[in-house]
Amino acid sequence: QSVLTQPPSVSGAPGQRVTISCTGSSSNIGAGYDVHWYQQLPGTAPKLLIYGNSNRPSGVPDRFSGSKSGTSASLAITGLQAEDEADYYCQSYDSSLSARYVFGTGTKVTVL
Amino acid sequence: EVQLVESGGGLVKPGGSLRLSCAASGFTFSNAWMSWVRQAPGKGLEWVGRIKSKTDGGTTDYAAPVKGRFTISRDDSKNTLYLQMNSLKTEDTAVYYCTTARTFITMVQGVAVVQYYFDYWGQGTLVTVSS
Repeated sequence: QSVLTQPPSVSGAPGQRVTISCTGSSSNIGAGYDVHWYQQLPGTAPKLLIYGNSNRPSGVPDRFSGSKSGTSASLAITGLQAEDEADYYCQSYDSSLSARYVFGTGTKVTVL
Repeated sequence: EVQLVESGGGLVKPGGSLRLSCAASGFTFSNAWMSWVRQAPGKGLEWVGRIKSKTDGGTTDYAAPVKGRFTISRDDSKNTLYLQMNSLKTEDTAVYYCTTARTFITMVQGVAVVQYYFDYWGQGTLVTVSS
């Protein structure tokens, strides 16, 4: 069971803005560890989308943005496009004994 | 262009062993920290473990579910990462991804901490553990 909780699904019409939350605790996000986001298109490997809470790797459109506050983080997609339909995962570090590098439960984004 | 190509997956019986390989190119493999991440069918992502570069000690770290059964190693002369999996269980069934682990330092509660994220991923190789 993941220690980072995401909504199972979010949806929006083309052009709209959607946000995905990633809720952690005092042993991971709340402790100050950074949050990273990955996009997994259907049938493909995950791809790094956001690193260090809010930084975009080269080639990632600026429609994608990340933020972090307290024990949570968020990924926002503005100007939603059909090609954004995918699964999205947050990831951080957890300082508890059994965890280490933890992923969120994943969110399916559907473009209506 | 960074490329990571996994191989070695397949069907294995519970209790059996399998070795995965990951051929790397397009970057200086010997300087890179590397990691394995897996994804069970229809499920989310799970970190398996990582190996540091030899210049940083070459040490390994594993997730609790695989510790003592899985071993990560590297051959820098062949630009290849390995995952030796022993005592396999049905719950190890998953696609296994090889990733680069990009390190960075951040301050956490006043202490400098080395963390990493997974910046490049291979296409994955499927391991099925079933009788």
